[in-house]
Order: sequence, then C-alpha cells, then structure tokens
Amino acid sequence: DAMVIQNPRYQVTQFGKPVTLSCSQTLNHNVMYWYQQKSSQAPKLLFHYYDKDFNNEADTPDNFQSRRPNTSFCFLDIRSPGLGDAAMYLCATSRDGHPNTEAFFGQGTRLTVV
Amino acid sequence: DAKTTQPNSMESNEEEPVHLPCNHSTISGTDYIHWYRQLPSQGPEYVIHGLTSNVNNRMASLAIAEDRKSSTLILHRATLRDAAVYYCILHLWGTYKYIFGTGTRLKVLA
Repeated sequence: DAMVIQNPRYQVTQFGKPVTLSCSQTLNHNVMYWYQQKSSQAPKLLFHYYDKDFNNEADTPDNFQSRRPNTSFCFLDIRSPGLGDAAMYLCATSRDGHPNTEAFFGQGTRLTVV
Repeated sequence: DAKTTQPNSMESNEEEPVHLPCNHSTISGTDYIHWYRQLPSQGPEYVIHGLTSNVNNRMASLAIAEDRKSSTLILHRATLRDAAVYYCILHLWGTYKYIFGTGTRLKVLA
C-alpha cells in the first residue's frame, strides 16, 4: 500500500497560473520534504518541515511556497509558474529526520507548463 | 554541503554482481551514507544505509572504506529489474536533509 501519495501524477498548468501540488502520508512521520527533479538531473531539495517548523533552502525561489496544515498533508504552491519550473516534484517523509533513518518518497507529480 | 561523486553510468550482465562506487571525501564522522535508487518515472526508493561498518540487507550490501571517504553498493546478482539510477547520499548529522549526488545509471544486459 502506498505510504506517501502524491496527487495528481501529472499536472498541466498555464504559464503564470498558480498551481498546487499535494502530498499525503500514512506513516505519521514528523518530517516532510519537497524536491524538484528536472530531466536527467538528481532531485534538488526545495524545503522541508519538521512538524510545523518550515525550513527553506537558501536557493529556493520565492515563487515556491509550502503549507502543512496537519501531520498527514503537505502542499507545494507555485505562485507564477514559468517554463523553467517544468519538472517532476517529489514529496518525501522521514520519521524524525535522524541520519540513521530512511526517507520514503512518493511517486512524484510531473508538472508541465504551457 | 557535503558532496558525493559517482560515475555517470555503468553496465552489468544479468545475474552477475555489480559494484557501484561513491566518493565522499568531505564526509564528517557523524554523517551517514545512504543509497537510493530511482526506476524510470518513479520516486526514489531506499536501498541501504550505514555509518562505519559494512551493512547487508535483502536488497544489497554496503561496503564502507575504513577512512569513510568512499563506499560501494554491491548488488549480488543483478536482474533486469535492477536497471535504475542509483544515488549515493550523505545524510548530515544535525540536519534533516537528504542531499542527492549526481547518481549512476545502471544498465543491466540480458
């Protein structure tokens, strides 16, 4: 059974039109992550939450925001998508973010900007 | 952030062992070494992790050099389903971050 669920799997949005990607988890993990993965590149960490504490990576554009209303759900908001934001967006969780624990990834949402 | 270096691609014959190397010369004493793999159009999947000692699980083995500046992921008998991109990751102590290296694309030949 899927433990980290991302919806939708594929999303097409118009240039400049706000879009929201969602992630839910059934693991009750404290830490949730959002990664951006462009074609043939490694996943790049955008931000993460430890419980309600939000941590932004220094090079994450302001165009990207996130919300975590409760333990189970986390959202990625792209306020004004550009063509360069087309990518696979991956959500992941970790029980407590300790280096001795593994991360669990969702299947990803592939975002196309037209 | 600590970095890992991996070969871009490797090939293996089916049912033969595969050794995937990773260099992490800037590792500090409390950073863990993780390996994940990513099949086409899927999210990364956990393979194995360790700190100092060699580790084994049902998927693979992890051999860590004595100075910890490199490690090797060992798939004992490669199958066609093992064809994927394998990422070596350092999980830094004191952070919650899994920072991906560039990865090795493994091709398994029938």
